[in-house]
Amino acid sequence: QQPVQSPQAVILREGEDAVINCSSSKALYSVHWYRQKHGEAPVFLMILLKGGEQKGHDKISASFNEKKQQSSLYLTASQLSYSGTYFCGTEIGGGSNYKLTFGKGTLLTVNP
Amino acid sequence: EAQVTQNPRYLITVTGKKLTVTCSQNMNHEYMSWYRQDPGLGLRQIYYSMNVEVTDKGDVPEGYKVSRKEKRNFPLILESPSPNQTSLYFCASSQTSRRTEQYFGPGTRLTVT
Repeated sequence: QQPVQSPQAVILREGEDAVINCSSSKALYSVHWYRQKHGEAPVFLMILLKGGEQKGHDKISASFNEKKQQSSLYLTASQLSYSGTYFCGTEIGGGSNYKLTFGKGTLLTVNP
Repeated sequence: EAQVTQNPRYLITVTGKKLTVTCSQNMNHEYMSWYRQDPGLGLRQIYYSMNVEVTDKGDVPEGYKVSRKEKRNFPLILESPSPNQTSLYFCASSQTSRRTEQYFGPGTRLTVT
C-alpha cells in the first residue's frame, strides 16, 4: 500500500525551512528517503528503522514515529540545491520478502 | 566506478513488439528491482529479486516479465507492449534486501505507440 506524502508541493526561499511528511496505514519496518532532481535518477538520502530513531544528513534530518506509522523529513536553511522531488519509501512488517513501496513524491522548489 | 546501467536509455516502439530493457550492476548486490515512474503516481515497483533465480512481483507486475540468471543482470521483458506501458523505467540495486540504500540506474524512457 502506497504511503501518503504531504504536502504535494512546497515553494521556499533560500534559507527557509520545510517539513515533508510520510504516513502509512500499516506498521512500518523501515522508511527510506530519496531525492530526485529533474531528469535524473532518485538518490538516496537516509534510512530510518523501527525504533523511532532520528538521522541527519548535512542540514537534512528525519524522524520515524513508529506508533503513528509516519516519518518526517526536515530541511533546514534550504539551499538552491535542495530543489527536487522527495520520495519516501516504506517497508511494511518484517517478512521474508522485501518490498519497498514509494509515495507519490513531494516537489520542493527553492528560489533565490 | 560503482554503478547501475540500463539500456537502452530511450526507446520508441509499436504495440505488440517484444522488447527487453537490460539492467546491470557492478557492485555484487544481491537485491535488484524494477520501477516505473509516471507523472503524479511516484515510483511503483514492478518486480524485484532477492538473489539469483529468486524473483517476486511488486505492485504493478502485469504485462512484464523478469529473470535473474546472473547476479549482476536483471532484464525487464515486455512480451507484448501496450501504450499504457509508456513510462520512465528505473532499475535499482542494493547490497541486501533491507536496511541498505538502493542505487538507481539512469532510467529508460519507453514510448509505445
